[in-house]
Amino acid sequence: DAGVIQSPRHEVTEMGQEVTLRCKPISGHNSLFWYRQTMMRGLELLIYFNNNVPIDDSGMPEDRFSAKMPNASFSTLKIQPSEPRDSAVYFCASSHGGGDRNEQFFGPGTRLTVL
Amino acid sequence: SQKIEQNSEALNIQEGKTATLTCNYTNYSPAYLQWYRQDPGRGPVFLLLIRENEKEKRKERLKVTFDTTLKQSLFHITASQPADSATYLCALGQTGANNLFFGTGTRLTVIP
Repeated sequence: DAGVIQSPRHEVTEMGQEVTLRCKPISGHNSLFWYRQTMMRGLELLIYFNNNVPIDDSGMPEDRFSAKMPNASFSTLKIQPSEPRDSAVYFCASSHGGGDRNEQFFGPGTRLTVL
Repeated sequence: SQKIEQNSEALNIQEGKTATLTCNYTNYSPAYLQWYRQDPGRGPVFLLLIRENEKEKRKERLKVTFDTTLKQSLFHITASQPADSATYLCALGQTGANNLFFGTGTRLTVIP
């Protein structure tokens, strides 16, 4: 398996633009997580899905952020409009969900820079 | 709210020594605790899981302890090597919930 796939790997955009980050989880995993990582705040959970259904979005910073999971093999995280303080590395992770170990498998991340 | 603290942002040790990293938490009763390794430019990678009813877990040169009274986990790397240099994150989880709460991480540097 290729592991969790994220695109793009790097994104540079200007303030006010829409940004869409994409994630393909590991086949067979039924839980998907979006995280944001910064030096100041560490790794923060934004939202997670079980069986394509959003379970907890309390970590989403504000209405400018939205996430969808239209099917088991694809998810998007959208920021509209983007702001400089959104600059961070965004990780997607997947897991079997409720398994004995419940370990999460992370993608390589998308480094977002908002100018 | 839950708070997870890892002992220091950075830890430098000499090759061959034992590295000990600390994870302390408050306002939380985790059913299990996980440790992850993160290399620069990459996502975290799972290393070990320890459950609340387990005192200690080992895997090769790694050892994890879990003290629910002290609300603390210790992560040890024995006979450390420069290749062990990375950031190590602890994460807390609950039975029946798939989400994890991550600590801020400790950046370990093993000096040859």
